[in-house]
Amino acid sequence: QVTLKESGPTVVRPTQTLTLTCTFSGFSLATTGMAVGWIRQPPGKALEWLALISWDDSKRYSPSMKRRLTISKDTSKNQVVFTLTNVDPVDTGTYYCVRRQDAEDNFFGPWGQGTLVTVSS
Amino acid sequence: SYVLTQPPSVSVAPGKTATITCGGTNIERESVHWYQQRPGQAPVVVVYDDFARPSGIPERFSGSNSGNTATLTISRVEAGDEADYYCQVWDRSGGQWVFGGGTKLTVL
Repeated sequence: QVTLKESGPTVVRPTQTLTLTCTFSGFSLATTGMAVGWIRQPPGKALEWLALISWDDSKRYSPSMKRRLTISKDTSKNQVVFTLTNVDPVDTGTYYCVRRQDAEDNFFGPWGQGTLVTVSS
Repeated sequence: SYVLTQPPSVSVAPGKTATITCGGTNIERESVHWYQQRPGQAPVVVVYDDFARPSGIPERFSGSNSGNTATLTISRVEAGDEADYYCQVWDRSGGQWVFGGGTKLTVL
């Protein structure tokens, strides 16, 4: 059974750096084609893809947010770490960790339960 | 970047057919994926690669893609289908994954 779970702070102050960890089970990021990404959803709004890291350590970032994003993996721990620098209240939302099963796929599943992050002073 | 346009809301009576559209320039050239997000839950893919269904998704969910519009069709709608639905594509020119604005399906 494939599961993903997000962890990290629930409140972050403006201008600080948000760091989230995705811990997963049921698959390995050492498997060719496998990838893990992050998607967020502001309250009451649509989904927004942010970042993705693949089995070969290649990384993709949302062009509009690239300067503020970093994604990394620890294959031995089955973890992916995501950072967003210089946060603002507009970064408030639920952050989801997702799996992309194959390099030929361009959809995501399953998703973690999500973690709500509030940016507020 | 590639823009996907969905109607904000669709309403349908139980037992009837719901049609949710996703508009994009020459979207027929792209593989379109659809997600269902029930209130308070994470999204789940219900259709991928235009019309394929993951295991466990009822046959009532089907997809199509032609011209500038992709469509998610839900037949014999049930109360449990009430959710937000999002379409998604890979924007190869922008190098990013893109979601539509979402459609809220209300079962009357």
